Amino acid sequence: AQKITQTQPGMFVQEKEAVTLDCTYDTSDQSYGLFWYKQPSSGEMIFLIYQGSYDEQNATEGRYSLNFQKARKSANLVISASQLGDSAMYFCAMRETYGGATNKLIFGTGTLLAVQP
Amino acid sequence: DSGVTQTPKHLITATGQRVTLRCSPRSGDLSVYWYQQSLDQGLQFLIQYYNGEERAKGNILERFSAQQFPDLHSELNLSSLELGDSALYFCASSVGFLGGIGEQYFGPGTRLTVT
Repeated sequence: AQKITQTQPGMFVQEKEAVTLDCTYDTSDQSYGLFWYKQPSSGEMIFLIYQGSYDEQNATEGRYSLNFQKARKSANLVISASQLGDSAMYFCAMRETYGGATNKLIFGTGTLLAVQP
Repeated sequence: DSGVTQTPKHLITATGQRVTLRCSPRSGDLSVYWYQQSLDQGLQFLIQYYNGEERAKGNILERFSAQQFPDLHSELNLSSLELGDSALYFCASSVGFLGGIGEQYFGPGTRLTVT
């Protein structure tokens, strides 16, 4: 069965510094997709970044980048130049099937990031 | 704003009652997903519909049911409510399962409190 593991329940980072949020996954599929979502205290889930298993380059979206290490089955999120507004819960997720009958997501337990001024 | 709308935003009801949560997907999205977020279970996939048909089922209780209507909006029905059903219920939508990367855009959620 597919599984997402986030081992950091909470993290602190100073404003303007970079931070890495860890995510490891387990799957027997050759083709899969990995996502990061942000959940601020207001509750909504915001899509941040995506990495496909066949993508050779690490995904980047503005200050977000995904450090994809396929052999180690890790998909860490790197946030550069942290801002106070980055304080939120961050979830790593995996799409269970790719191009198949469903795109349902399996989520990790999340990492609560607190950015300190 | 993701473009996915959910109503109501908050719902407080008593045990044993039945409620209906409503979701309108982003314009053009054919797939609708329902997720439940609770403190003890985390974020869990409940059910997916694609263009009116059920596509996948997750950890959805028999007391819960859903449907997607011809106009693509979806409803999640929760019946015989128990205290443990208190959670944040998300609806998400995506273009489909045959195109794109499959990213899902989430609505703001409905916070259900069962007393």
